[in-house]
Amino acid sequence: QKEVEQNSGPLSVPEGAIASLNCTYSDRGSQSFFWYRQYSGKSPELIMFIYSNGDKEDGRFTAQLNKASQYVSLLIRDSQPSDSATYLCAVNSEENTDKLIFGTGTRLQVFP
Amino acid sequence: GAGVSQTPSNKVTEKGKYVELRCDPISGHTALYWYRQSLGQGPEFLIYFQGTGAADDSGLPNDRFFAVRPEGSVSTLKIQRTERGDSAVYLCASSRTGGFTEAFFGQGTRLTVV
Repeated sequence: QKEVEQNSGPLSVPEGAIASLNCTYSDRGSQSFFWYRQYSGKSPELIMFIYSNGDKEDGRFTAQLNKASQYVSLLIRDSQPSDSATYLCAVNSEENTDKLIFGTGTRLQVFP
Repeated sequence: GAGVSQTPSNKVTEKGKYVELRCDPISGHTALYWYRQSLGQGPEFLIYFQGTGAADDSGLPNDRFFAVRPEGSVSTLKIQRTERGDSAVYLCASSRTGGFTEAFFGQGTRLTVV
C-alpha cells in the first residue's frame, strides 16, 4: 500500500512567521511531488510541484525534496491569515504519472 | 468553459438509490480524473480517462461504481445501490494532455446518503 503521511495539525503560527509543513511517502519509485492548498468547503488548488532533490522557490513558498529520506516539505514565509487552510501533499510514481496519492492534509492556522 | 464544472453541487439520496454525478472538464482537456474525498481525509483516486477510454479504473471501490466519458468531454460517475459509506465529496479534475502539473479541480459534488 503506497502511503503519504502528514501530521493533521493544526499547526498554528503567528502572522509573519515561517510555516513548515512536512510530508513523508512510502514509495521509493515516486517521481513527482505536489502541494495543494484547500480552503474549507473548497476544492484543492495546486501551489507547487517538485521533481528534483533540493529546493524550489515560488514567491513566499518553497518546496523541499529529499528522495533519500522520502521526505518533502513546504515552507511558507511571511505567513498571512489568508494562508489558513489545509495543505495536502500528493505524490505519483514513474509508472503511473496520472494517479496522485494524497496525504490527509495538515491544517494551518495563521493568527494575527 | 472557464473551469471544471460539476453538477449537482449537492445531492442527498436515500440508501439503495442510484445517482449520477456529472463533470464538465475545461474545453480541450483530454485527461479527466475522478477523486473522492471523505471528511478529514485527502482525495482518493477513483478513475482516470484519457479521451473516451478509462486508462486506469483501479480506484473504483466495487462494481457499484461506474464512470463513462462517451465523447471524450463530459463524464458521468454512476453509483448504484448507494450506501451511507458512499457519502463524500466527489471531485473531478481535468488536464490538457495528462499529468497534474496543469490539472484543475472542479468544486465537487457533495453526496449524502441517508
